[in-house]
Amino acid sequence: EVQLVQSGAEVKKPGEPLRISCKDSGDSLSSYWISWVRQMPGKGLEWMGRIDRGDSYINYSPSFQGHITISNDKSISTVFLQWSSLKASDTAMYYCARTRITAFRHNYFDPWGQGTLVTVSS
Amino acid sequence: QSALTQPPSASGSPGQSVTISCTGTSSDVGGYNYVSWYQQHPGKAPKLIIYEVSQRPSGVPDRFFGSKSGNTASLTVSGLQAEDEADYYCNSYAGSNNFVVFGGGTKLTVL
Repeated sequence: EVQLVQSGAEVKKPGEPLRISCKDSGDSLSSYWISWVRQMPGKGLEWMGRIDRGDSYINYSPSFQGHITISNDKSISTVFLQWSSLKASDTAMYYCARTRITAFRHNYFDPWGQGTLVTVSS
Repeated sequence: QSALTQPPSASGSPGQSVTISCTGTSSDVGGYNYVSWYQQHPGKAPKLIIYEVSQRPSGVPDRFFGSKSGNTASLTVSGLQAEDEADYYCNSYAGSNNFVVFGGGTKLTVL
């Protein structure tokens, strides 16, 4: 059974950098995509971007392009989401999710990680 | 990109059926059969319950039914149970520029 295990909660100050992680316990030999999804407090889900675990090809949502960086370390089956300079508005729960792509098109997210709560406050 | 439109809330009594709509455009919901639905209980991660408009993953009860007509997808939950009380989100492929779009979510209350 595939499981995605995310790093723990973070409390940061505005302007600080941050990298959170998502480790995949499943078949590390397969090529598949991992997405990051944001959920701000009391709000809905927003797709941020995704990375192909096999060749590290990345797609970003236009809403997040330039504000985040998604990367991949195949040797440890881990995908990362990072910010160079956090803002208070980055306070949210962040989920990673394995992403099914069919005929080069997004199909669905399954399974999901448990989430990483990021709090940015001075 | 614009979110898909869902009603903010829906409700029903135990045993009843309730339908949640998800309205998009011909560039997302109406253009492709890649609509999925997710159930999220408070404090928990979302869980896939419907994919490709009407397919149920293994383990999801057949009380959950997905459909689509034009630019609107729908999730019907029949035989409502207390455990169905949760937030429900629709999701669709949105073309090669926008890639992925979510609905704003619907809070389902079991009365």
